[in-house]
Amino acid sequence: TQLLEQSPQFLSIQEGENLTVYCNSSSVFSSLQWYRQEPGEGPVLLVTVVTGGEVKKLKRLTFQFGDARKDSSLHITAAQTGDTGLYLCAGVWGAQKLVFGQGTRLTINP
Amino acid sequence: GAVVSQHPSRVICKSGTSVKIECRSLDFQATTMFWYRQFPKQSLMLMATSNEGSKATYEQGVEKDKFLINHASLTLSTLTVTSAHPEDSSFYICSVPIAGTGELFFGEGSRLTVL
Repeated sequence: TQLLEQSPQFLSIQEGENLTVYCNSSSVFSSLQWYRQEPGEGPVLLVTVVTGGEVKKLKRLTFQFGDARKDSSLHITAAQTGDTGLYLCAGVWGAQKLVFGQGTRLTINP
Repeated sequence: GAVVSQHPSRVICKSGTSVKIECRSLDFQATTMFWYRQFPKQSLMLMATSNEGSKATYEQGVEKDKFLINHASLTLSTLTVTSAHPEDSSFYICSVPIAGTGELFFGEGSRLTVL
């Protein structure tokens, strides 16, 4: 069974600070995705990383896929209150089946 | 605009009744759809893979007779929670893969509350 350990599960910081969320597994995934989910809504895809060592940037968000394709990180620079939400990593295996991490509930305080 | 639509977005039912949730792909065909369940403050757990024209594939621990899945057309999959109980109260979300892209789109989710 593929498992993804996401940490931290809860994070509350001040606006302007930097943060990193980690996603680790003992399994190798064909790719890894990061989602953001608002309360009462479905997850929205932020990025997909495919190649080991790949780094992708989305404005102030930087996503990295580990060399062995077992882990990933999300780094947010100069966090803003609008970044508040639930961030989920998901490993892709098989025919686009996803296994999700536990999620990181991020709160950015003004 | 939305690529995947779920209905209803919220439903409240009495214990023992059955509830049907629809997942529609808009403007494209989907031979496969996925159904997830999310309990409060928890992550998404894959329940089953819905296959157009054939039986759904259920994940370990998910009762196929309780969660009936029907993928009758290339744009519609339905999940029926039969004889619902309060412990079935959850947020049910479908996702649809876009063929050839590796992308998955999620529906808006359906919040089920069983009294």
